[in-house]
Amino acid sequence: KAGVTQTPRYLIKTRGQQVTLSCSPISGHRSVSWYQQTPGQGLQFLFEYFSETQRNKGNFPGRFSGRQFSNSRSEMNVSTLELGDSALYLCASSGLAGEDEQFFGPGTRLTVL
Amino acid sequence: QKEVEQNSGPLSVPEGAIASLNCTYSDRGSQSFFWYRQYSGKSPELIMFIYSNGDKEDGRFTAQLNKASQYVSLLIRDSQPSDSATYLCAVIPGSNYQLIWGAGTKLIIKP
Repeated sequence: KAGVTQTPRYLIKTRGQQVTLSCSPISGHRSVSWYQQTPGQGLQFLFEYFSETQRNKGNFPGRFSGRQFSNSRSEMNVSTLELGDSALYLCASSGLAGEDEQFFGPGTRLTVL
Repeated sequence: QKEVEQNSGPLSVPEGAIASLNCTYSDRGSQSFFWYRQYSGKSPELIMFIYSNGDKEDGRFTAQLNKASQYVSLLIRDSQPSDSATYLCAVIPGSNYQLIWGAGTKLIIKP
């Protein structure tokens, strides 16, 4: 069974631009969670989607948004990028709405210049 | 505010010894507990999960859960240099299904 995939793996943007990251969960998984991780920091929860609905949301500004499609693939968007948005963005999928163990993709490393 | 606490470390353990990692949580109604390992620059990978009080063993790893004292621990027997990583504890609280994460403990196994 294929694992969680994320694209792109690396991204370089400049301040003020916007970015869209993509995540394809494990086949059959319906829940997708997004996390931000900066050096030396733990996982900061962004949001979780289940069956195309946002079920949970973390404490991030409205510049961070996401969506989930009918095939469970998910995207997250960050508008008006700031230097502090440079981080590893991780996507994790699970069988139910966060109720089961989460499996992570390789992450997208975003650098904002 | 539901919280999961871990000692940030680093925890230094000689090769071949037992490494003991601890995690405490605040929500007494928590039901599911997970340990993940994260190598530098990589994504977290699931090591073990435990739902019931007591011990759960998988190879060199043992997870211990004590709901009365609200802690979960991970023991790594015969520690190897390849076990050097950050270990993340995650808990599903009783009120919803969203994982709450600890900040992680950095483990260093010294040859």
